[in-house]
Amino acid sequence: NAGVMQNPRHLVRRRGQEARLRCSPMKGHSHVYWYRQLPEEGLKFMVYLQKENIIDESGMPKERFSAEFPKEGPSILRIQQVVRGDSAAYFCASSPPNRLAYNEQFFGPGTRLTVL
Amino acid sequence: QKEVEQDPGPLSVPEGAIVSLNCTYSNSAFQYFMWYRQYSRKGPELLMYTYSSGNKEDGRFTAQVDKSSKYISLFIRDSQPSDSATYLCAMTETGAGSYQLTFGKGTKLSVIP
Repeated sequence: NAGVMQNPRHLVRRRGQEARLRCSPMKGHSHVYWYRQLPEEGLKFMVYLQKENIIDESGMPKERFSAEFPKEGPSILRIQQVVRGDSAAYFCASSPPNRLAYNEQFFGPGTRLTVL
Repeated sequence: QKEVEQDPGPLSVPEGAIVSLNCTYSNSAFQYFMWYRQYSRKGPELLMYTYSSGNKEDGRFTAQVDKSSKYISLFIRDSQPSDSATYLCAMTETGAGSYQLTFGKGTKLSVIP
């Protein structure tokens, strides 16, 4: 059973460009979470999505960041007009549809974004 | 005061030692508690998952939760060099409608052969 997949693993962008990060949850999982890990900082929640719905985006910066989880295909985290402060590791996690297991989140390998 | 406090270490122990890692928290609504292991430049790996207070054992790992003290611990018995990693505690509320995890900053552990 394949785990959570993220791509690309490494992404380099210049200031002002757009970054698109993709996440495919584990098979059978329908809940996706995005977290950001800044250098020397802990993991911080960004957004929680179910298929075609954003459930909680309380951790998302108000501007330039957006996320989606379409009916078909991976979840996408999109960062427009990137700035150097966006350089971080972005992790996706997924959990099973069983409500009792929502907290049991399995993480992908992350995408390391570097903004030049 | 941060929601979750975790000593960043680094913590260095000899092979075979018992390791004790811990976190304190301030939000009394936290009900689910997890420990993750993260190797350098990898994603966090779920080690232990507990609900409310009590102990849970899985092989060489034991997780303890003391909600009255807002204190959780992870014990590693017979530590191995392969246990060298950063250990993250995480927790979440129940009934909040969202299941976002709140993490500690992690404790970096080195097990010396």
